[in-house]
Amino acid sequence: LAKTTQPISMDSYEGQEVNITCSHNNIATNDYITWYQQFPSQGPRFIIQGYKTKVTNEVASLFIPADRKSSTLSLPRVSLSDTAVYYCLVAPAAGGYQKVTFGIGTKLQVIP
Amino acid sequence: DVKVTQSSRYLVKRTGEKVFLECVQDMDHENMFWYRQDPGLGLRLIYFSYDVKMKEKGDIPEGYSVSREKKERFSLILESASTNQTSMYLCASSLFGGGAPGTYEQYFGPGTRLTVT
Repeated sequence: LAKTTQPISMDSYEGQEVNITCSHNNIATNDYITWYQQFPSQGPRFIIQGYKTKVTNEVASLFIPADRKSSTLSLPRVSLSDTAVYYCLVAPAAGGYQKVTFGIGTKLQVIP
Repeated sequence: DVKVTQSSRYLVKRTGEKVFLECVQDMDHENMFWYRQDPGLGLRLIYFSYDVKMKEKGDIPEGYSVSREKKERFSLILESASTNQTSMYLCASSLFGGGAPGTYEQYFGPGTRLTVT
Protein backbone atom coordinates (compact mmCIF):
# COMPACT_ATOMS: atom_id res chain seq x y z
CA LEU A 1 0.00 0.00 0.00
CA ALA A 2 1.26 3.46 -0.87
CA LYS A 3 2.31 5.56 2.12
CA THR A 4 0.68 8.95 2.46
CA THR A 5 1.89 12.09 4.21
CA GLN A 6 -0.38 14.98 5.13
CA PRO A 7 -0.17 17.86 7.62
CA ILE A 8 -1.21 16.97 11.13
CA SER A 9 -3.29 20.10 11.62
CA MET A 10 -4.50 23.27 9.92
CA ASP A 11 -6.44 26.33 11.01
CA SER A 12 -8.66 28.42 8.77
CA TYR A 13 -11.10 31.27 9.16
CA GLU A 14 -14.70 30.88 8.18
CA GLY A 15 -15.41 31.70 4.55
CA GLN A 16 -11.91 30.89 3.33
CA GLU A 17 -10.96 28.18 0.88
CA VAL A 18 -8.94 25.41 2.48
CA ASN A 19 -6.49 23.22 0.61
CA ILE A 20 -5.09 20.09 2.24
CA THR A 21 -2.27 18.40 0.35
CA CYS A 22 -1.39 14.75 0.60
CA SER A 23 1.87 13.25 -0.66
CA HIS A 24 1.92 9.71 -2.02
CA ASN A 25 5.22 9.33 -3.85
CA ASN A 26 4.98 5.57 -4.39
CA ILE A 27 1.44 5.52 -5.73
CA ALA A 28 0.86 2.59 -8.06
CA THR A 29 -0.71 2.70 -11.50
CA ASN A 30 -3.96 1.12 -10.34
CA ASP A 31 -4.27 3.14 -7.13
CA TYR A 32 -7.11 5.56 -6.50
CA ILE A 33 -6.99 8.50 -4.09
CA THR A 34 -9.79 8.80 -1.59
CA TRP A 35 -10.56 11.34 1.11
CA TYR A 36 -12.66 10.79 4.21
CA GLN A 37 -13.96 13.26 6.76
CA GLN A 38 -14.49 12.51 10.44
CA PHE A 39 -16.45 14.69 12.82
CA PRO A 40 -15.92 14.32 16.57
CA SER A 41 -17.65 11.28 18.06
CA GLN A 42 -18.55 9.88 14.64
CA GLY A 43 -17.08 7.40 12.22
CA PRO A 44 -15.34 8.68 9.07
CA ARG A 45 -17.40 9.29 5.99
CA PHE A 46 -16.35 9.23 2.33
CA ILE A 47 -16.24 12.64 0.69
CA ILE A 48 -14.41 12.33 -2.63
CA GLN A 49 -12.31 10.04 -4.78
CA GLY A 50 -10.27 10.42 -7.94
CA TYR A 51 -7.66 8.91 -10.21
CA LYS A 52 -6.26 11.89 -12.12
CA THR A 53 -6.90 15.54 -12.96
CA LYS A 54 -9.83 17.08 -11.14
CA VAL A 55 -12.93 15.75 -9.48
CA THR A 56 -15.64 17.92 -7.97
CA ASN A 57 -18.76 17.15 -6.00
CA GLU A 58 -21.09 19.09 -3.75
CA VAL A 59 -18.70 18.85 -0.82
CA ALA A 60 -15.19 19.31 -2.20
CA SER A 61 -12.81 19.26 -5.13
CA LEU A 62 -9.87 16.96 -5.58
CA PHE A 63 -6.89 18.02 -7.68
CA ILE A 64 -4.42 15.40 -8.86
CA PRO A 65 -1.38 16.41 -10.94
CA ALA A 66 -0.21 14.37 -13.89
CA ASP A 67 2.48 12.51 -11.93
CA ARG A 68 -0.11 11.59 -9.25
CA LYS A 69 2.51 11.81 -6.50
CA SER A 70 0.35 14.19 -4.54
CA SER A 71 -3.26 15.32 -4.34
CA THR A 72 -5.04 18.34 -2.90
CA LEU A 73 -8.42 18.36 -1.27
CA SER A 74 -10.06 21.75 -1.65
CA LEU A 75 -12.93 22.87 0.56
CA PRO A 76 -14.55 26.07 -0.70
CA ARG A 77 -15.66 28.71 1.80
CA VAL A 78 -15.40 26.63 4.94
CA SER A 79 -17.79 27.02 7.83
CA LEU A 80 -17.50 26.01 11.47
CA SER A 81 -19.22 22.74 10.61
CA ASP A 82 -16.25 21.75 8.43
CA THR A 83 -14.12 21.38 11.56
CA ALA A 84 -13.10 17.73 11.33
CA VAL A 85 -10.25 15.35 10.66
CA TYR A 86 -9.58 14.68 6.98
CA TYR A 87 -7.91 11.44 5.87
CA CYS A 88 -6.14 10.82 2.59
CA LEU A 89 -6.04 7.21 1.44
CA VAL A 90 -4.41 5.54 -1.53
CA ALA A 91 -5.47 2.04 -2.47
CA PRO A 92 -5.75 -0.19 -5.52
CA ALA A 93 -8.81 -0.29 -7.68
CA ALA A 94 -8.55 -3.97 -8.44
CA GLY A 95 -11.54 -6.08 -7.71
CA GLY A 96 -11.86 -7.77 -4.42
CA TYR A 97 -11.50 -6.67 -0.85
CA GLN A 98 -9.48 -3.63 -0.09
CA LYS A 99 -7.29 -3.09 2.91
CA VAL A 100 -6.57 0.56 3.38
CA THR A 101 -4.57 2.59 5.87
CA PHE A 102 -6.20 5.69 7.33
CA GLY A 103 -3.29 7.10 9.27
CA ILE A 104 -3.58 10.10 11.55
CA GLY A 105 -5.23 12.51 9.12
CA THR A 106 -5.29 16.32 9.12
CA LYS A 107 -7.21 18.03 11.88
CA LEU A 108 -8.86 21.12 10.40
CA GLN A 109 -10.02 23.76 12.85
CA VAL A 110 -12.27 26.44 11.41
CA ILE A 111 -12.16 29.66 13.37
CA PRO A 112 -15.05 32.16 13.48
CA ASP B 1 -28.96 4.80 3.09
CA VAL B 2 -26.39 2.31 4.23
CA LYS B 3 -26.62 1.69 7.89
CA VAL B 4 -23.90 0.25 10.06
CA THR B 5 -24.85 -0.23 13.66
CA GLN B 6 -22.74 -1.18 16.62
CA SER B 7 -24.13 -2.87 19.70
CA SER B 8 -23.04 -0.26 22.22
CA ARG B 9 -21.85 3.36 22.18
CA TYR B 10 -20.12 3.02 25.54
CA LEU B 11 -18.85 -0.06 27.33
CA VAL B 12 -16.96 -0.52 30.57
CA LYS B 13 -15.31 -3.86 31.30
CA ARG B 14 -12.86 -5.21 33.81
CA THR B 15 -9.41 -6.54 33.06
CA GLY B 16 -9.55 -10.20 32.09
CA GLU B 17 -13.17 -10.17 30.96
CA LYS B 18 -14.16 -11.52 27.58
CA VAL B 19 -15.65 -8.74 25.50
CA PHE B 20 -17.85 -8.97 22.41
CA LEU B 21 -18.37 -6.01 20.12
CA GLU B 22 -21.08 -6.53 17.55
CA CYS B 23 -21.51 -4.82 14.20
CA VAL B 24 -24.41 -5.17 11.78
CA GLN B 25 -24.78 -3.70 8.29
CA ASP B 26 -27.93 -3.67 6.22
CA MET B 27 -26.61 -3.19 2.67
CA ASP B 28 -25.52 -6.71 1.82
CA HIS B 29 -21.86 -5.65 1.74
CA GLU B 30 -19.29 -8.36 1.42
CA ASN B 31 -16.45 -6.56 3.22
CA MET B 32 -16.50 -5.68 6.89
CA PHE B 33 -13.77 -4.09 8.98
CA TRP B 34 -12.85 -3.43 12.58
CA TYR B 35 -10.65 -0.46 13.47
CA ARG B 36 -9.51 1.10 16.68
CA GLN B 37 -8.86 4.79 17.02
CA ASP B 38 -6.53 6.31 19.58
CA PRO B 39 -5.35 9.91 19.99
CA GLY B 40 -2.22 10.55 17.97
CA LEU B 41 -2.38 7.15 16.26
CA GLY B 42 -5.36 7.60 13.95
CA LEU B 43 -7.42 4.67 12.77
CA ARG B 44 -5.69 1.33 12.76
CA LEU B 45 -7.10 -1.76 11.14
CA ILE B 46 -7.52 -4.75 13.46
CA TYR B 47 -9.21 -7.32 11.20
CA PHE B 48 -11.31 -7.42 8.10
CA SER B 49 -13.54 -9.99 6.46
CA TYR B 50 -14.44 -10.33 2.79
CA ASP B 51 -16.94 -13.15 3.13
CA VAL B 52 -18.75 -15.26 5.67
CA LYS B 53 -16.26 -17.20 7.80
CA MET B 54 -13.35 -15.47 6.04
CA LYS B 55 -11.02 -13.10 7.84
CA GLU B 56 -7.72 -11.35 7.32
CA LYS B 57 -5.44 -9.78 9.89
CA GLY B 58 -5.02 -6.06 9.78
CA ASP B 59 -2.18 -4.04 11.22
CA ILE B 60 -2.80 -4.74 14.93
CA PRO B 61 -4.57 -8.11 15.37
CA GLU B 62 -2.81 -9.12 18.59
CA GLY B 63 -5.20 -9.62 21.48
CA TYR B 64 -8.25 -9.72 19.21
CA SER B 65 -10.22 -12.27 17.27
CA VAL B 66 -13.23 -11.94 14.99
CA SER B 67 -16.22 -13.93 13.91
CA ARG B 68 -18.38 -13.67 10.82
CA GLU B 69 -21.08 -16.32 10.77
CA LYS B 70 -23.58 -14.25 8.80
CA LYS B 71 -22.95 -11.80 6.02
CA GLU B 72 -24.47 -8.84 7.82
CA ARG B 73 -22.76 -9.37 11.17
CA PHE B 74 -19.11 -9.04 12.16
CA SER B 75 -18.02 -9.50 15.75
CA LEU B 76 -14.82 -8.38 17.43
CA ILE B 77 -13.77 -10.42 20.44
CA LEU B 78 -11.35 -9.48 23.15
CA GLU B 79 -10.56 -12.84 24.75
CA SER B 80 -9.11 -11.29 27.91
CA ALA B 81 -9.50 -7.55 28.01
CA SER B 82 -6.54 -5.46 29.10
CA THR B 83 -6.25 -1.79 29.95
CA ASN B 84 -4.28 -1.10 26.77
CA GLN B 85 -7.36 -2.10 24.80
CA THR B 86 -9.22 0.92 26.10
CA SER B 87 -10.09 2.70 22.88
CA MET B 88 -12.73 3.76 20.38
CA TYR B 89 -13.69 0.82 18.16
CA LEU B 90 -15.14 1.49 14.73
CA CYS B 91 -16.79 -0.98 12.41
CA ALA B 92 -17.14 -0.41 8.67
CA SER B 93 -18.46 -2.20 5.61
CA SER B 94 -17.96 -1.93 1.86
CA LEU B 95 -18.73 -3.67 -1.39
CA PHE B 96 -16.49 -6.44 -2.69
CA GLY B 97 -15.21 -5.25 -6.03
CA GLY B 98 -18.53 -3.81 -6.96
CA GLY B 99 -19.34 -0.38 -8.24
CA ALA B 100 -16.97 1.69 -10.31
CA PRO B 101 -13.29 0.78 -10.04
CA GLY B 102 -11.68 2.33 -7.02
CA THR B 103 -14.86 3.15 -5.20
CA TYR B 104 -15.03 0.66 -2.32
CA GLU B 105 -16.41 3.40 -0.14
CA GLN B 106 -16.36 2.30 3.45
CA TYR B 107 -19.41 3.04 5.57
CA PHE B 108 -18.72 3.42 9.25
CA GLY B 109 -20.76 2.82 12.34
CA PRO B 110 -20.93 5.34 15.20
CA GLY B 111 -18.23 3.61 17.22
CA THR B 112 -18.02 1.94 20.61
CA ARG B 113 -15.96 3.60 23.29
CA LEU B 114 -14.57 0.77 25.37
CA THR B 115 -12.99 1.37 28.76
CA VAL B 116 -11.16 -1.48 30.45
CA THR B 117 -10.48 -0.92 34.13
